[in-house]
Amino acid sequence: DAKTTQPPSMDCAEGRAANLPCNHSTISGNEYVYWYRQIHSQGPQYIIHGLKNNETNEMASLIITEDRKSSTLILPHATLRDTAVYYCIVRVAWNNDMRFGAGTRLTVKP
Amino acid sequence: DGGITQSPKYLFRKEGQNVTLSCEQNLNHDAMYWYRQDPGQGLRLIYYSQIVNDFQKGDIAEGYSVSREKKESFPLTVTSAQKNPTAFYLCASSKSINGNQPQHFGDGTRLSIL
Repeated sequence: DAKTTQPPSMDCAEGRAANLPCNHSTISGNEYVYWYRQIHSQGPQYIIHGLKNNETNEMASLIITEDRKSSTLILPHATLRDTAVYYCIVRVAWNNDMRFGAGTRLTVKP
Repeated sequence: DGGITQSPKYLFRKEGQNVTLSCEQNLNHDAMYWYRQDPGQGLRLIYYSQIVNDFQKGDIAEGYSVSREKKESFPLTVTSAQKNPTAFYLCASSKSINGNQPQHFGDGTRLSIL
């Protein structure tokens, strides 16, 4: 699987949009971009995934650049409960495991 | 509610003892997985199962064993051969192993050595 690069930490003000970047410059055409988050001592929570088009669900939006070498997860109105470690993962279409890196620790501040 | 249930939440193992971690899902998913997470690190795949009565080794299967006798259940045994078992163990499931199917995780079991 392609490797990903994320900033180790970010802060965001409550109520503002949180934009979390991810670089995956070696991604190939059959690899999906996934985002998960993990709150301390809990299992990872699935947020969203996409192949090449932008995606939106009730939790977040995923913006993938046209060359697919980077993506951004957007939490439109961050709350204190969104404080967590966010993982960006790329995964081939037939791959069975999720290779989590170190992620980005997002802290939402009042 | 549909989901993945892991038990117990905390488990302690004595030296030389085997312990079994439970994972049950009611999502009707075919595929199930076991991961290990060490402090400050990402997840590493131990075993996975695409379907009942079938399972495959992941990256760090040594010292672990699994069974998949029922679709809903995928227990993990940490054997005495696993010399460094202290970790956070996570079970996940998905509709299939297809990369377009997200994996959904349980809340984990934290294993410690007495």
